[in-house]
Amino acid sequence: QKEVEQDPGPLSVPEGAIVSLNCTYSNSAFQYFMWYRQYSRKGPELLMYTYSSGNKEDGRFTAQVDKSSKYISLFIRDSQPSDSATYLCAMRIPSSNTGKLIFGQGTTLQVKP
Amino acid sequence: GAVVSQHPSRVICKSGTSVKIECRSLDFQATTMFWYRQFPKQSLMLMATSNEGSKATYEQGVEKDKFLINHASLTLSTLTVTSAHPEDSSFYICSARMTGYEQYFGPGTRLTVT
Repeated sequence: QKEVEQDPGPLSVPEGAIVSLNCTYSNSAFQYFMWYRQYSRKGPELLMYTYSSGNKEDGRFTAQVDKSSKYISLFIRDSQPSDSATYLCAMRIPSSNTGKLIFGQGTTLQVKP
Repeated sequence: GAVVSQHPSRVICKSGTSVKIECRSLDFQATTMFWYRQFPKQSLMLMATSNEGSKATYEQGVEKDKFLINHASLTLSTLTVTSAHPEDSSFYICSARMTGYEQYFGPGTRLTVT
């Protein structure tokens, strides 16, 4: 079992749809959760990060963390074709004092006009 | 804020030559920089972690004599692929972190070894 599981997709939705992207993790000690967006042939871009359980909202994006279920989600409202990209979840490895992260496999999202 | 640059963005070299990739944090001082490798349609694979003025820490299976990392200052780290071979062709991405745990990534360097 991988430490972080993320459905690779691809996920295809019509423009305007609400998108739900998810990751599960196995180590309850994981903390500091991040979501990155990566366009093809580009470096990942940090979208959101959160430390605690609960919701954090930024514009059309909402990050949700449920530590009791070891489950994190990213919701995208009113999805746009420009949201088409690969979304990676990441979390801090607790044993690392240098801030190493562990990444999910990434979910490829396509938003069709 | 939190901009990281990489140079070059693309490089093509002949087998047996060495290639240097630069990673700079443009508007912040990075406590730590990381180097990743990414194959098509796959996630990021951490190669090494580096701190300014100290030796890099390499992940298991990464040859430190082949992938030389120098972290000269709080804003600059370099990765040198020595005696490159076609199997080293890949997308190399650096990242940097400040005092928090979020990492800010560069745009990546596509290396092709012929």
